[in-house]
Order: sequence, then C-alpha cells, then structure tokens
Amino acid sequence: QVQLQESGPGLVKPSQTLSLTCSVSGDSISSGGYYWNWIRQHPGKGLEWIGYISYSGTTYSNPSLRSRVTISVDPSKNQLSLSLSSVTTADTAIYYCARAAPDAPMFRGVTLFFDSWGQGTLVTISS
Amino acid sequence: SSELTQDPAVSVALGQTVRITCQGDSLRNYYASWYQQKPGQAPLLVIYGQNIRPSGIPDRFSGSSSGDTASLTITGTQAEDEADYYCNSRDGSAHHYVFGTGTKVTVL
Repeated sequence: QVQLQESGPGLVKPSQTLSLTCSVSGDSISSGGYYWNWIRQHPGKGLEWIGYISYSGTTYSNPSLRSRVTISVDPSKNQLSLSLSSVTTADTAIYYCARAAPDAPMFRGVTLFFDSWGQGTLVTISS
Repeated sequence: SSELTQDPAVSVALGQTVRITCQGDSLRNYYASWYQQKPGQAPLLVIYGQNIRPSGIPDRFSGSSSGDTASLTITGTQAEDEADYYCNSRDGSAHHYVFGTGTKVTVL
C-alpha cells in the first residue's frame, strides 16, 4: 500500500520560494501509469489543485499558479517536490501530495482520480 | 476555466438518504471523483468513474451522472459520514483539474 509524507518548512517569508518534498513508500514514483500531484487547502476553505508530474515526466499546473510552480521528481530518492516562487500570504495553506490514477471509461474522456494522499503539511507565509 | 458548484451544506437524519450534487460544464464529458474529508484529516477517495468504490469504502456510497451534474448518494447515512465532500473533474480538454466548492454534510 502506497504511503505519502510531505515535509518542508512550516514558515516562509513573503517573496521567498516555498519548497516542499513528498516521500513515497510502497510504490516506485517512476513506475508507469501514475500521476503525482500537489493540492492545497487554504485554512477553512476548499481544495485547490496545484499541478502534477506524470510517470513520463510531463507536468501540468493550475493556470492561476503556472508561472510560479515547478514540480519535479527524484527517482533515486522516490520523492516528489514542489517549488512555489514569490509567495504571499495568500499562499498560506495546507499542502498535500497525492497519487492519481487514470480512469478511461467508455463514452467519456480520460480523467484522473486521486487515490492516495499524504497527511498534509501546513505552510504559513509570514514575515 | 471550468467551475464545479456544490451546495454549501446539507443535513440528513441518521439512517436516511442524502444526495450531494456537483454541477459544471466539464461533467458532460468527464466523470467526477468524490472525496470525503473529516476535520484535521486528508481527503479520502470514495467514488470515481461511472460509479466505482475503492476498496474499503462502504456500499452505502454511490455515484451517478446526468448531463452537467454529478451526484454522490449516501444511503442509510451513518454518524461517521458527517464530513465535507468534494467533487473533482478535469477542466474541459485542458490537462488540469478542478475541485468543487465542497458540501458539508451534517448527520442529525
């Protein structure tokens, strides 16, 4: 059973870069078929998809964050990383990493579903 | 980008049935997935695809879809089902994803 664990600084200053790591166990991050995501949740609010990196290395991110987001993997460490630049207080949130698998039903388009999540890590942006 | 709209809150009597809806244009072409989130916990996948429950999810959870609306139904609601529920789907033909606004389910 796959397990995901986020780690990183809990406090980041405005204008700096937020960097988080997600350690994956129970599955190889390089194995085919899965997509590795970052999702965040502002305090008391809903979920926001940040972006993913596919098993082949393709990345996609939320258009509202795209210019500031970098998602990468380190297969040697079986880790997923998130870098979010030029942060403001609006980036204060719980950050989750999640594994997604594709669903390819008949008569509908291919989509992803998030089948495993980390416990999340709170990052506060403050001077 | 597309939006997925959910009712902010619903209440249901213990043992009764509750339906949570998610509306958005992208749902005409893509199935929604549904997530349960309890306070202080990470979201948990409860339904995906046409109506598929991951291992360990009780069969009182079911999903359906019609037109631009996806629904999650809990039949015989239990106290432990009190939580926030979010839908998610692909944003049209683009390779990005959108979560619904979330529905808080209260079990009376």
